[in-house]
Amino acid sequence: ETGVTQTPRHLVMGMTNKKSLKCEQHLGHNAMYWYKQSAKKPLELMFVYSLEERVENNSVPSRFSPECPNSSHLFLHLHTLQPEDSALYLCASSQDRGGTYTDTQYFGPGTRLTVL
Amino acid sequence: DAKTTQPPSMDCAEGRAANLPCNHSTISGNEYVYWYRQIHSQGPQYIIHGLKNNETNEMASLIITEDRKSSTLILPHATLRDTAVYYCIVSLLAGGTSYGKLTFGQGTILTVHP
Repeated sequence: ETGVTQTPRHLVMGMTNKKSLKCEQHLGHNAMYWYKQSAKKPLELMFVYSLEERVENNSVPSRFSPECPNSSHLFLHLHTLQPEDSALYLCASSQDRGGTYTDTQYFGPGTRLTVL
Repeated sequence: DAKTTQPPSMDCAEGRAANLPCNHSTISGNEYVYWYRQIHSQGPQYIIHGLKNNETNEMASLIITEDRKSSTLILPHATLRDTAVYYCIVSLLAGGTSYGKLTFGQGTILTVHP
């Protein structure tokens, strides 16, 4: 148990559905991340939020829409996904100490997404 | 961030020490060495990190060479539950950026057998 929870743990959706992934961290951190891990590929960083502002978007298609309403919660809204978007989606959090120091990232268990 | 090179796979007998090597010859002075592991289909688990001194915690030890171009993660008494993919990452985390940036490679698949 790392203090980062993700729901749901498994999700199956059609290409026309809209769904959301949720991440919650109980560590008092102020930076949160979304990663994607496709089969047999390394983890890829998708989005970074620091102090509730998006600070990085790694050329992610617009069908993925992140939201960070507060420092403890992070969402990934999904719409009109493609089968190749099937992957393990991982959330992480860390402590951003203001430009000079960022602490270790702690990961949640992930959401296994299957797009039919 | 500097790139790392790890062997694709390693075996270890249960109860023995597992020594996982990592080369990071282009590491710069303010980059840290991080180790994570990922047990099948779970989120990566932080193990340990260091800058230039050797580090030890309840999970493992990290030995960094004096020139910092390579390091070794040591699991002193491997168990079957240590079977996982181990990632060595060089990052400006904890020292240089306003937010963390971890670049994961393919890692080393460690198999601990009875």
